[in-house]
Amino acid sequence: AQSVTQLGSHVSVSEGALVLLRCNYSSSVPPYLFWYVQYPNQGLQLLLKYTSAATLVKGINGFEAEFKKSETSFHLTKPSAHMSDAAEYFCAVSPNQAGTALIFGKGTTLSVSS
Amino acid sequence: DVKVTQSSRYLVKRTGEKVFLECVQDMDHENMFWYRQDPGLGLRLIYFSYDVKMKEKGDIPEGYSVSREKKERFSLILESASTNQTSMYLCASSSRQAQYFGPGTRLTVT
Repeated sequence: AQSVTQLGSHVSVSEGALVLLRCNYSSSVPPYLFWYVQYPNQGLQLLLKYTSAATLVKGINGFEAEFKKSETSFHLTKPSAHMSDAAEYFCAVSPNQAGTALIFGKGTTLSVSS
Repeated sequence: DVKVTQSSRYLVKRTGEKVFLECVQDMDHENMFWYRQDPGLGLRLIYFSYDVKMKEKGDIPEGYSVSREKKERFSLILESASTNQTSMYLCASSSRQAQYFGPGTRLTVT
């Protein structure tokens, strides 16, 4: 069965600092992987996705993630945090194709201080 | 842009009431989903549908049912609301590329 583990339920960074949100997955088949962002009282917005093309995936708002099969990881990074990046971030995996039901991690809340 | 709309942003219901949560998408997607989101638990799949009049149970279907009479509309039904169903409910539809979410309905059952 597929599963997703997000390490750290809360991450705090200073404005301008590197953002690193960790995600590890387990899957018996090559997975499709996603990062979503949720701002307060809103739905989830797709940040980026990995669908077996390039292992380094660039998303919106300056975020990117690298698929590392050997480490079963798909960590999300951004070189320089902005106050507007404060939100909850979810990593998700789909075992079959991008359009099927997703399995989500429990989420990581990112706080950005000035 | 893909648009997924949900009928209410906030809803307050009493224990035992029948509750309908409506979701509509405008992209002709075949796949639609209902998730429940609770703090510390992430999103959990309640039901999904791959076609009109078709439904499949997700991980936590107990206490819920769904209806999909038209391709664009997927309804979640709480037959007899209970306080442990107080939660944020998120609807999604998907192409072969990704899932797209609605704004969510925050349901409180008192």
